Amino acid sequence: DGGITQSPKYLFRKEGQNVTLSCEQNLNHDAMYWYRQDPGQGLRLIYYSQIVNDFQKGDIAEGYSVSREKKESFPLTVTSAQKNPTAFYLCASSMGKQVLNSPLHFGNGTRLTVT
Amino acid sequence: KQEVTQIPAALSVPEGENLVLNCSFTDSAIYNLQWFRQDPGKGLTSLLLIQSSQREQTSGRLNASLDKSSGRSTLYIAASQPGDSATYLCAVVSAGNMLTFGGGTRLMVKP
Repeated sequence: DGGITQSPKYLFRKEGQNVTLSCEQNLNHDAMYWYRQDPGQGLRLIYYSQIVNDFQKGDIAEGYSVSREKKESFPLTVTSAQKNPTAFYLCASSMGKQVLNSPLHFGNGTRLTVT
Repeated sequence: KQEVTQIPAALSVPEGENLVLNCSFTDSAIYNLQWFRQDPGKGLTSLLLIQSSQREQTSGRLNASLDKSSGRSTLYIAASQPGDSATYLCAVVSAGNMLTFGGGTRLMVKP
């Protein structure tokens, strides 16, 4: 079955620690995205990548970093510089390099809690 | 900057009722609009994608309409079922090739 796998489903960290969230897709999609979702709010874009070895900042990139060394993988690191990291993180992909005509496919998310 | 609003934030209806969810956006220069469904603690599932040149799209009991000039879209759900209970989000693609999401409508269909 093709899809997007995010791991782990739940993640707990102490304040001041960096943490990396995994996102893998076997859909052969070019573009991948990381969103953050807070309770009662819409999704906000953190980073996106349209091609291997290239990525761009979204609306709320501060305190986060990404890499795109392989087409199928787009890990997100939440650094200690992120002021309010507790949230639900969603990874998505789309077939084309742009979202103009391609529906987004989402993983099941990682719920990160930082105490 | 594009802003997307969904009203109401929450909706509760009895099973079998037809219902309409609303989505409005501030900048009418969009490329497409997408409706998603999100179950609790899960990712989003794409329901319908309407291109800017289209007026509506249908999938089963779902019908989404788009009025670009007025900055509005509606998602019509016919003969609602308890399994339709979820949060429904709309999102638009506009200048900069980015998706802007609304805050969602949390739907509860009671048996």
